Amino acid sequence: KAGVTQTPRYLIKTRGQQVTLSCSPISGHRSVSWYQQTPGQGLQFLFEYFSETQRNKGNFPGRFSGRQFSNSRSEMNVSTLELGDSALYLCASSLGGSGDTQYFGPGTRLTVL
Amino acid sequence: DAKTTQPNSMESNEEEPVHLPCNHSTISGTDYIHWYRQLPSQGPEYVIHGLTSNVNNRMASLAIAEDRKSSTLILHRATLRDAAVYYCIRGEAGGSYIPTFGRGTSLIVHP
Repeated sequence: KAGVTQTPRYLIKTRGQQVTLSCSPISGHRSVSWYQQTPGQGLQFLFEYFSETQRNKGNFPGRFSGRQFSNSRSEMNVSTLELGDSALYLCASSLGGSGDTQYFGPGTRLTVL
Repeated sequence: DAKTTQPNSMESNEEEPVHLPCNHSTISGTDYIHWYRQLPSQGPEYVIHGLTSNVNNRMASLAIAEDRKSSTLILHRATLRDAAVYYCIRGEAGGSYIPTFGRGTSLIVHP
C-alpha cells in the first residue's frame, strides 16, 4: 500500500497570507490527524477528522482549521499567517478507532517570512 | 499533563542492546501503549504497541510492567540507523483522544 502523502513538501509564505496543506491517507484509513512540530514546542496535536467530521481538537487558535472529504483526503488551512506558524506540519492516518496506530506522512515544511 | 515521562536522551554503542524507559503512571485499563520514532528530517514512524503482554516485532520488543505504569522499548542490537527521537504515548481507547507526544528520548548511537 502507498503511504501517507502530503503536498506540498515545502512552502514559503509571508505574514498575513493564508495557506492550505493537503494530506492523502493510506487507502482504507478513515481517520486523519494533523500535528504541528516546532523546535520549541515539539510535536503538538492540532485536530483529527473521521468520516468528514472533526472528532478531536487540540489547543490551537481558530486560524487553524481543517476538513475531510468523502474519500478521506484532508486539507488543513491556516489563515492570517504569523511568524510563529513556521513549522513542520505532519499528517497521520489510521483505520479510525480512537487510539489506533497512526501512520505519518513526511510533512510539509512551512516557512513564514 | 504529559501523561508519559521519558528521559531526554540516552546513548548506546552500535551492536549493543538499548532499553528505553517510559513511565505512564495514570494509564487506564484500556489504554494501549504506543511507541513511535522520528528519524532526522522525517515524520514519525510506528515502532510497536501493546496492552498488557510483552510484544515483539521485527523492529523491537516492548516490555510492559505488570502494573502497566511503565514500559520499556528494547532494541536488541542498536545500529546507527536507530539514532532517532523515540516517543512513548498512550493510545486512549474511546472518548476524546488527544495524542500527547511529549519530548521523547533522543537516542544517540556511537559507532
